[in-house]
Amino acid sequence: KQEVTQIPAALSVPEGENLVLNCSFTDSAIYNLQWFRQDPGKGLTSLLLIQSSQREQTSGRLNASLDKSSGRSTLYIAASQPGDSATYLCAVNFQGAQKLVFGQGTRLTINP
Amino acid sequence: EPEVTQTPSHQVTQMGQEVILRCVPISNHLYFYWYRQILGQKVEFLVSFYNNEISEKSEIFDDQFSVERPDGSNFTLKIRSTKLEDSAMYFCASSDQGGPYEQYFGPGTRLTVT
Repeated sequence: KQEVTQIPAALSVPEGENLVLNCSFTDSAIYNLQWFRQDPGKGLTSLLLIQSSQREQTSGRLNASLDKSSGRSTLYIAASQPGDSATYLCAVNFQGAQKLVFGQGTRLTINP
Repeated sequence: EPEVTQTPSHQVTQMGQEVILRCVPISNHLYFYWYRQILGQKVEFLVSFYNNEISEKSEIFDDQFSVERPDGSNFTLKIRSTKLEDSAMYFCASSDQGGPYEQYFGPGTRLTVT
C-alpha cells in the first residue's frame, strides 16, 4: 500500500531556530512531492513542489529535498518566525495514479 | 494569479439531505479533483475527473457521491443523502495535466451534518 508518514506529529521550537520536518513514503516510483501549509480551520497553501527528477527546491527561507531511493523528503525552515506556526503537510503523487497521498502532518509551533 | 474557488465556504445540513458543493477550477486546467479532511485526520482523495468522466476514485467515493461538470467553468460534488460522518472540509483541486503536474487547491468548503 502506498503511504506517506510524517514525523514528528508536533514540534515546538523557539523563534530564530532552523528546523527540519520529515516525510517518508513507501514507494520510490513517484511523479512528484508537494509540501503544503495549513493554518487551523483553513485551506492548503502549496509551499514547494519537487519533481521526481529533482533533488531539492528552494523558496525564500524554505528548502525541500527529495531522496527517492530512500523514500524520504525533508522541509528545512531557516530562521523560524512565529508566523511560521501552522501544520505542514507532505503529499506524494505516486506513479500510475492521479491522486495525491497525504501524510498526517507536523504541527509546528514557533515560540516568541 | 488564477486560483481555484469554492462555494459555499461553510454549509450546514441535516442528516439525509442532499448537498452540492461547488468549485470553479483554474480556467485552462483539464483535471479536477475532490479531497476531504475529517477534523483531526489526514486529507483523503475522493475522485478525479477528466474529459467529462471519472478517471480515478477511492473506496470512500461510493454511490452516495457523484461529480459533474455542468458547464465550462463549474465542477460539483453531490452527496445524495448526507450522514453525520460526511462532516468534513472538502477541497477541490485542478491541474493542467494529470500525473506529474502540480495540483492547485481551493480554500475548501466546511460541511457540517447535524
